Amino acid sequence: DVKVTQSSRYLVKRTGEKVFLECVQDMDHENMFWYRQDPGLGLRLIYFSYDVKMKEKGDIPEGYSVSREKKERFSLILESASTNQTSMYLCASSLLRGEQYFGPGTRLTVT
Amino acid sequence: GENVEQHPSTLSVQEGDSAVIKCTYSDSASNYFPWYKQELGKRPQLIIDIRSNVGEKKDQRIAVTLNKTAKHFSLHITETQPEDSAVYFCAASSGGSYIPTFGRGTSLIVHP
Repeated sequence: DVKVTQSSRYLVKRTGEKVFLECVQDMDHENMFWYRQDPGLGLRLIYFSYDVKMKEKGDIPEGYSVSREKKERFSLILESASTNQTSMYLCASSLLRGEQYFGPGTRLTVT
Repeated sequence: GENVEQHPSTLSVQEGDSAVIKCTYSDSASNYFPWYKQELGKRPQLIIDIRSNVGEKKDQRIAVTLNKTAKHFSLHITETQPEDSAVYFCAASSGGSYIPTFGRGTSLIVHP
């Protein structure tokens, strides 16, 4: 059974803080993804990674960076959090071709 | 890049009715079309998918149809039940990467 976990379900941070969101998958998947989910806007891809130390920008990478030092772990970094980054963040993983498995999400509030 | 449009944004039906959600895509090279269901407070989960060499796929009360010429695909749910209430996302991806582009989602409400 695939398991994708995220480090926090809820997070409250102040404007300007550096924020780390972590995602771990236990199925040896090559691909990992970070999305943000906002009402009416669906799932928007921030970054994805198809291998260790490899990363590609998605549709909305501005203000974010990522790190993938190990195959099972993919981190999303907000270098200087802003209020417009308040959102639900979803991590996902998949094999090279196929179904995505999502984590439970982290609801981030930036005040 | 790929662009996926999904309609309607909200769909309200009575229990037992059918529900249809439609998506269009822009990239003719897209060849994988998954549908995800997200219940309130939960993570999205794949419910059905279709590949471009197939026109229709069925799984119990759920079916997906694909029209490659018109570049649209649809999700059909028959005999809806209250537990079908959720947000449904369509997606399309192309080439060898299978990185999906998602539609904006449809909130399906099934009234008992």
